[in-house]
This record gives sequence, structure tokens and C-alpha cells, in this order.
Amino acid sequence: SQQGEEDPQALSIQEGENATMNCSYKTSINNLQWYRQNSGRGLVHLILIRSNEREKHSGRLRVTLDTSKKSSSLLITASRAADTASYFCATDEWGGSEKLVFGKGTKLTVNP
Amino acid sequence: GAGVSQSPSNKVTEKGKDVELRCDPISGHTALYWYRQSLGQGLEFLIYFQGNSAPDKSGLPSDRFSAERTGGSVSTLTIQRTQQEDSAVYLCASSLYRNQETQYFGPGTRLLVL
Repeated sequence: SQQGEEDPQALSIQEGENATMNCSYKTSINNLQWYRQNSGRGLVHLILIRSNEREKHSGRLRVTLDTSKKSSSLLITASRAADTASYFCATDEWGGSEKLVFGKGTKLTVNP
Repeated sequence: GAGVSQSPSNKVTEKGKDVELRCDPISGHTALYWYRQSLGQGLEFLIYFQGNSAPDKSGLPSDRFSAERTGGSVSTLTIQRTQQEDSAVYLCASSLYRNQETQYFGPGTRLLVL
């Protein structure tokens, strides 16, 4: 089963609005990463948050991590049509196999 | 610098034929990964190479799938006797060191088995 599960599966918003995507996972982790994918092609790394961090910012992106709830959220502020993409969280299992496990992603549509 | 490259971009083959997919990782990256992504789905881990260590093949779905990495650089994923369910986008990624570091993805190879 997937270590990371994104929620919602799909999200449609208007340009200028904020978009929030959530990720839940099952085991203790070393870090959690968010990736973006356009048009079913290669993924682009957005941000990495370590297990001892609670919040991280990068431009219009804000990521939070709650290890007690085993969940993370990705907030995109002031969304743009160009933000339309699928967003995936990826986790590694602390003390486990050296694999990043990706969720099924949230498909974000930003309408102009 | 150059990113991860994959070839071919698209591959159409007939059921039962063998296919080879190639990945050129970022120079100096010691770790290389292959994933498979079916339409509208997440990434399915296939195999992971780290330096000269034995690869982690735990994600390969059947013995028709194999991969090698020559000289610690270029990797080839081979699918023998292709089946229609093998149709997917095959993504390659590399990272500087071990698996937990940021992964840099190639554009993928879209495989269609008729």
C-alpha cells in the first residue's frame, strides 16, 4: 500500500485563490518531499521537510509537517493558471528500506 | 548543467516484443531509480541502484523486467515479451547520494503495447 496518500484526489480553484493539499502517511519518516508533475511527464522537486521541522516556505509554497498525526500539507498561495499540475508527496521510512514512496497525487486545476 | 535524459520519448511495440528503455542520469549522481506510472496513477517503484551496491529489485513486477547500470552511469530497463498491461510512462530519476535525497526526474518514456 502507498506510504503517502494525498487528499483531495482532485481540486479545482480560481486564479488568485489558495490551494491546500494534504498528505497522510503510516510510518515514522526521515523526511517528506513534495513534487509536481505536468502533463504526465517528469516530476519536479518542490520542497523537502525533515522530520524535526514543522513548517517550511519556498516562494508561494508553504509546507507543514505534523509527525504526531503523520500528515503534511502543501499550501500554494495566490494560485496561477500555470500551477495547474499534479502534486505528489513522497516519504521515506525511518529505519526501513531506502525507497521513497510516492502517493497517487492531487490533480490541481487553476482556472483563469 | 544537463538534467536526466531518457530515450526514446515514446515507444510503440507489439505484444510479445522486447523493449529497452535508456536513462542517462545527472553526472556524478550515484543513485538511480526507475518508476512506472500508469495513466492517472501514482508512481510505482521498480528498481534502485546505489553506487556499486547490489540493486534493490523489490519493485520489479515480474521476471520479464530487468535493469542494469553500466559503469555507474547509464541505465537500461528491459522488458521482455511485452504485455498490454506494461503500457505506461516509465520514469527514471537520479540523486546525488542515497535514496532520501532529492530526486531529479527525466521526462519519461511513454510505452504503448498494442
